[in-house]
Amino acid sequence: RKEVEQDPGPFNVPEGATVAFNCTYSNSASQSFFWYRQDCRKEPKLLMSVYSSGNEDGRFTAQLNRASQYISLLIRDSKLSDSATYLCVVNSGGYQKVTFGIGTKLQVIP
Amino acid sequence: EAGVTQFPSHSVIEKGQTVTLRCDPISGHDNLYWYRRVMGKEIKFLLHFVKESKQDESGMPNNRFLAERTGGTYSTLKVQPAELEDSGVYFCASSRGLGNTIYFGEGSWLTVV
Repeated sequence: RKEVEQDPGPFNVPEGATVAFNCTYSNSASQSFFWYRQDCRKEPKLLMSVYSSGNEDGRFTAQLNRASQYISLLIRDSKLSDSATYLCVVNSGGYQKVTFGIGTKLQVIP
Repeated sequence: EAGVTQFPSHSVIEKGQTVTLRCDPISGHDNLYWYRRVMGKEIKFLLHFVKESKQDESGMPNNRFLAERTGGTYSTLKVQPAELEDSGVYFCASSRGLGNTIYFGEGSWLTVV
């Protein structure tokens, strides 16, 4: 089983739709969780950290479920500019050796 | 503030040749990481420096890969001799310290033919 698993998609959604991605992790000792966004042929960029209490940043909401070992990302009112690959990243502690999921590709359609 | 910079951005070499990738982290960032993404796979950890010391090199695929960070500033990743399966994008990243955001460079795209 992979340390971090994501559905690679693609998720094709119309503008204005709400879309949610899940990511599961295998190491119950994992301490930190992040969502990164990667545009085509660009570097990954931090979208948001994921806290136990959940956190929201505008149209983006991240949730952590430690009991079931998954994190989620919800995007409301999708924009064309949201089209990208969303990477689930998990830090299993120690010296920040983070593990990436394969990424979920989102395509927002006009 | 300048971001993480990598050189070269693209490289095409023949099997058996040597390539050296360079990474300049964000100034003041003690932590420097190398990652690699091969076609269709997830981004995988290669190694982690804290200043000039290798903290974790468990992700290095084999002894054809050599990373250095002399003086704790920039880092190089040398592949010698290169094989076809080494093709991919090599990302360098840096962070100030534990728990801080990791910032990525734009990557060095390596094609071995």
